[in-house]
Amino acid sequence: ETGVTQTPRHLVMGMTNKKSLKCEQHLGHNAMYWYKQSAKKPLELMFVYNFKEQTENNSVPSRFSPECPNSSHLFLHLHTLQPEDSALYLCASSSAGPDTGELFFGEGSRLTVL
Amino acid sequence: KNQVEQSPQSLIILEGKNCTLQCNYTVSPFSNLRWYKQDTGRGPVSLTIMTFSENTKSNGRYTATLDADTKQSSLHITASQLSDSASYICVVSANTGNQFYFGTGTSLTVIP
Repeated sequence: ETGVTQTPRHLVMGMTNKKSLKCEQHLGHNAMYWYKQSAKKPLELMFVYNFKEQTENNSVPSRFSPECPNSSHLFLHLHTLQPEDSALYLCASSSAGPDTGELFFGEGSRLTVL
Repeated sequence: KNQVEQSPQSLIILEGKNCTLQCNYTVSPFSNLRWYKQDTGRGPVSLTIMTFSENTKSNGRYTATLDADTKQSSLHITASQLSDSASYICVVSANTGNQFYFGTGTSLTVIP
């Protein structure tokens, strides 16, 4: 257990569906992240939240919409996705500050878009 | 440009043998370097962290080295076990806050 919990672990959706991924951390961290992991590619940073404020949006298409209601919870709302969006979506948290040290990852949500 | 490159891309070894994975980076200003292990379908888990002043750090059968001058790191696995089969990812943190740079990983397969 890393202290970061993601649900659901697996999700299959059509291109017209709307779904959400949820992440919760119990580590007292103030920074939370969404990463996309596709086969044979480095992890791609999507969004960063520091103290509930979005500090980075890494040119992510608007069909991905993040929400951070508090420092412990992070959502990724999905709508009208494309098949190429199929990937493992990883949530992570870390302590905020200039030297943030370690990223703690959740187990990931495996998304398949049909 | 801040980059992290890992080699080899994949590796197959016999159970009980040793192996070494490589990581080269160009990240600046450097804060620390971590090796993560990622089992198939799971999230990455940290194995070791190396800061600028550290040359070697061990975690059981895993030993990481860092040469900050040449910007190279290695992860040595001793007496490999079947459970070592995973992807090993090198992650370099920049000293500018919340900046992490990922390698593409080395896929290790240990066979009996």
